[in-house]
Amino acid sequence: NAGVTQTPKFQVLKTGQSMTLQCAQDMNHNSMYWYRQDPGMGLRLIYYSASEGTTDKGEVPNGYNVSRLNKREFSLRLESAAPSQTSVYFCASSELREGSYEQYFGPGTRLTVT
Amino acid sequence: GEDVEQSLFLSVREGDSSVINCTYTDSSSTYLYWYKQEPGAGLQLLTYIFSNMDMKQDQRLTVLLNKKDKHLSLRIADTQTGDSAIYFCAESNTGGFKTIFGAGTRLFVKA
Repeated sequence: NAGVTQTPKFQVLKTGQSMTLQCAQDMNHNSMYWYRQDPGMGLRLIYYSASEGTTDKGEVPNGYNVSRLNKREFSLRLESAAPSQTSVYFCASSELREGSYEQYFGPGTRLTVT
Repeated sequence: GEDVEQSLFLSVREGDSSVINCTYTDSSSTYLYWYKQEPGAGLQLLTYIFSNMDMKQDQRLTVLLNKKDKHLSLRIADTQTGDSAIYFCAESNTGGFKTIFGAGTRLFVKA
């Protein structure tokens, strides 16, 4: 199993450009997440999808959109990139285990917006 | 809202014990987690503790929970250079698949 995969690994955008970050998991998990990681701020939830066909806003959704394409794939779109969106983006999926949701993370996408 | 706080840096010598501390605010937290992030990688679950437990031991890792003070700690015995990483404390509620993460503690292990 590959687990959670993300593409691309690195990306540089100019202000105003758009792009889509791709995420896929092969563990048959229902729930998927997008986080951003900024120095000293930990992980902040952007959007999540509790199950196929549903998406909900997290803590910092402004400037982003998501699509849960099917059970495996959950993409994150930046319509008009801004320098404040320079960050490392992590996709995760989770499974219910003993009442708790253990999260499995992808390797991340490092995005720079100039 | 819910918040999870931890100190940003810890430096120890190889062979010593490391203790990473965390406080949280949500009294309804049911599960508390420790995740490890190595350079250039995503987070990986190290261990977790259910809120009705005081302690959990797993090989070199000991998790202590003081529910009254909302304080969680992770002790790594015989710390090795391979333990150098960022350690994240996190919490979630029962049935809640949203997890709140702290900012992470960067552990430096000196040889």
